[in-house]
Amino acid sequence: QITLKESGPTLVKPTQTLTLTCTFSGFSLSTSGVGVGWIRQPPGKALEWLALIYWDDDKRYSPSLKSRLTITKDTSKNQVVLTMTNMDPVDTATYYCAQLGIAAAGTFDPWGQGTLVTVSS
Amino acid sequence: DIVMTQTPLSSPVTLGQPASISCRSSQSLVHSDGNTYLSWLQQRPGQPPRLLIYKISNRFSGVPDRFSGSGAGTDFTLKISRVEAEDVGVYYCMQATQFPLTFGQGTKVEIK
Repeated sequence: QITLKESGPTLVKPTQTLTLTCTFSGFSLSTSGVGVGWIRQPPGKALEWLALIYWDDDKRYSPSLKSRLTITKDTSKNQVVLTMTNMDPVDTATYYCAQLGIAAAGTFDPWGQGTLVTVSS
Repeated sequence: DIVMTQTPLSSPVTLGQPASISCRSSQSLVHSDGNTYLSWLQQRPGQPPRLLIYKISNRFSGVPDRFSGSGAGTDFTLKISRVEAEDVGVYYCMQATQFPLTFGQGTKVEIK
C-alpha cells in the first residue's frame, strides 16, 4: 500500500521560509518513472501544481513560483522536501504531496492528506 | 501555459440522474509519445483529491463504472451515469502533457 504524509509548520510569518516534508511508503523514488509532486489549494479555491521531482533527480517547477521553490529528495529516508521562500498571506493553503506515474501514467495518485499552512504575522 | 476550462462550475443533480462535466484545453493535449495525459480527480468535502480517470478514459482501480471519460485533442468530458450521494464534491480535470502541469477550476456537483 502506497501512502504519503505531509509535515511542517502550520503557521509561518510573512517573509519567512516554509519547509515541508513529504514522507512516503510503499514505493521507492529510485524506481524508474516515479515522481513525487507538490500541489496546493487555497481555502475554497482550485488546485495549483507547484513542483515535481523524478527518480533521476530531474526537477520541474511552476514558472510563476520557480524563483521561490526548491524541491529535493532523500531516497534513503523516503522523503521529498519542498522549500518556499518569502512567504506571503496569499500562500495560505493546504499543501499536498502526491505520487506521479506508477499505477496511472501522467497523473497524481495517491495523495497525502494535506497540511494547512497559514501565513500571518 | 495550457489553460484548462471546465463547464459548468456548478452542477445540481437529482439522485439517480446523469451528470456531465466538460473540460477544454487551450492547446492540444496529445503528447509527442502519442498519449494524451488528461485525467479527472474527485475531491469530496474535507478530503484530498482522488484519481478517477487517467489518459482520457482509463478508469482507475476501484472507481465505480458509473464514471466514464471521453474526448480527444482539446475537448474532454467526464460523465456520471447515475449520480449517488457519495458523488457530491468538486471534480477537477488535469493535464500532464506539458509543463507546467495545470488543473481546471473545478466543478461542484451537488444534489438538488
